[in-house]
Amino acid sequence: SQQGEEDPQALSIQEGENATMNCSYKTSINNLQWYRQNSGRGLVHLILIRSNEREKHSGRLRVTLDTSKKSSSLLITASRAADTASYFCATDFHSGGYQKVTFGIGTKLQVIP
Amino acid sequence: KAGVTQTPRYLIKTRGQQVTLSCSPISGHRSVSWYQQTPGQGLQFLFEYFSETQRNKGNFPGRFSGRQFSNSRSEMNVSTLELGDSALYLCASSQGQTSSGNTIYFGEGSWLTVV
Repeated sequence: SQQGEEDPQALSIQEGENATMNCSYKTSINNLQWYRQNSGRGLVHLILIRSNEREKHSGRLRVTLDTSKKSSSLLITASRAADTASYFCATDFHSGGYQKVTFGIGTKLQVIP
Repeated sequence: KAGVTQTPRYLIKTRGQQVTLSCSPISGHRSVSWYQQTPGQGLQFLFEYFSETQRNKGNFPGRFSGRQFSNSRSEMNVSTLELGDSALYLCASSQGQTSSGNTIYFGEGSWLTVV
């Protein structure tokens, strides 16, 4: 199963509303990153939060990290139609002698104008 | 500076054939990773190369292989293609190894269809 899993898998909101996506992971991490992907395109890095950080902001994005619950959330405030995309969290963890970065299945966000 | 470039963007292959995909990282980036993305499985990590050495690998069969050249450009090869190999293959580069918290920059991907 995935190291990181986003929730919900799909989210539909009206323009102007806030969108919240969650990511849960299983093992200890050093960093957690959020990415965005427009349909069929490459992923674009949004924000990185380190394990010793609890909250970070970037424009309309707010990311929180709760290492005790092994979870993170991405909040997009005042959403726009252009925010329609899939959002992925990526976590790094140690497995089988390797330090790996893995992505979840993603949350598909639709912002209705 | 130019982003991560992947070629070809689209290709169709027949079962049993082999395919080679190419990736040119951002100038100055030494790490190149490859991912397979399918609707059902999401993004699956294939392998990561850093300074021409494979540093990490995912859980894919030996039919999937890769290499990195001295100029950091990378290729991945899939032999004996199966229908299930149809996917978007994404290449990503970063300055250092991805597990060190370096931002990963993705290319647009190569769409592979196996018929």
